[in-house]
Amino acid sequence: NAGVTQTPKFRILKIGQSMTLQCAQDMNHNYMYWYRQDPGMGLKLIYYSVGAGITDKGEVPNGYNVSRSTTEDFPLRLELAAPSQTSVYFCASSGQGVNSPLHFGNGTRLTVT
Amino acid sequence: TQLLEQSPQFLSIQEGENLTVYCNSSSVFSSLQWYRQEPGEGPVLLVTVVTGGEVKKLKRLTFQFGDARKDSSLHITAAQPGDTGLYLCAGGRVSFGNEKLTFGTGTRLTIIP
Repeated sequence: NAGVTQTPKFRILKIGQSMTLQCAQDMNHNYMYWYRQDPGMGLKLIYYSVGAGITDKGEVPNGYNVSRSTTEDFPLRLELAAPSQTSVYFCASSGQGVNSPLHFGNGTRLTVT
Repeated sequence: TQLLEQSPQFLSIQEGENLTVYCNSSSVFSSLQWYRQEPGEGPVLLVTVVTGGEVKKLKRLTFQFGDARKDSSLHITAAQPGDTGLYLCAGGRVSFGNEKLTFGTGTRLTIIP
């Protein structure tokens, strides 16, 4: 079972460059999330989606954009990369309800120099 | 403001010892989840507790949700090297009609063989 798949696993960007982090899930989950995890820290929510065509901001949305055209895919876009965006990015999906477990991908490690 | 504080932040103990990790908040949560994250991977759900005072056991791991649903603890008996990892608590609550899951700061546990 694939679960949640993230690509790429690693990426180095120069300041000002753009990129899209890909996320796909095959569990037919309506809820999808993007988190960032800085060294020694927990997870901070960037954006989330409760279904195709619906997205909303999390705690730290500045500098990012998302789209949700299908149930399966939830890409995260960085338009003008900044050093502050150096982090590990995790995509997750879940069923409906705050008690539903999150299923995480294995992350994308991004370095902006 | 970090809603969920975990303590200790780092813990290194010998194999066979017991330990307790704490997750505290001033806010009330409808549920509390515990995840374990290993290097290079996404977090994986260990347990969800939803009732104040609830105790759940998962082999050598015992999870407790505080009576007031503001705190939780994870107790590991006879720790083994395989328990090494980052432990994250996550509190679920409904805010302004939206369901939100907030992650704690994390406890990095190392079990020394």
